[in-house]
Amino acid sequence: DGGITQSPKYLFRKEGQNVTLSCEQNLNHDAMYWYRQDPGQGLRLIYYSQIVNDFQKGDIAEGYSVSREKKESFPLTVTSAQKNPTAFYLCASRRQGENTQYFGPGTRLTVL
Amino acid sequence: DAKTTQPPSMDCAEGRAANLPCNHSTISGNEYVYWYRQIHSQGPQYIIHGLKNNETNEMASLIITEDRKSSTLILPHATLRDTAVYYCPASGTYKYIFGTGTRLKVLA
Repeated sequence: DGGITQSPKYLFRKEGQNVTLSCEQNLNHDAMYWYRQDPGQGLRLIYYSQIVNDFQKGDIAEGYSVSREKKESFPLTVTSAQKNPTAFYLCASRRQGENTQYFGPGTRLTVL
Repeated sequence: DAKTTQPPSMDCAEGRAANLPCNHSTISGNEYVYWYRQIHSQGPQYIIHGLKNNETNEMASLIITEDRKSSTLILPHATLRDTAVYYCPASGTYKYIFGTGTRLKVLA
């Protein structure tokens, strides 16, 4: 099956710990995105990458880091510098030349 | 920044058409109008998009006004499974800007 996978679906961490969220796609899409969603709110862009080994900050990048070493993978690290990390995190990807983004199922992170 | 506005909530009777409006008065000439929906605790699902002409697919129809400042997503025969939050994000250069969407509740 082609698609975007995010793992795990639920993640719990203690305050002060870094945590890495996985996003993998087998759609051969060039661009990948990370969004954050808080309860009752829309999605906010954290980071995006249009090509391997390149990425740009979105609107709320502080406290997050990413890497794009492979086309199919775009992991997001939530660092201890992120003041309110508890949220629903969504990954998306897009084919070059098109605007349509396709989303993964999301990871719900809870920091205790 | 580009922005869209939608009513916060709507109800629709099962089997009737659901018409969801979106105002995108700041849209530029080459930006597409996109619609997604998000069922609780899932990732957004792509529904449809268009530039100027009305569009239809197996899920919905999209009506875009001639001045492109607003659009309407039509679910012709709403079912209980269409209960979700519907978004029409502003689409910048390869980026989306999401608002809070419209929470559609389909009533039995």
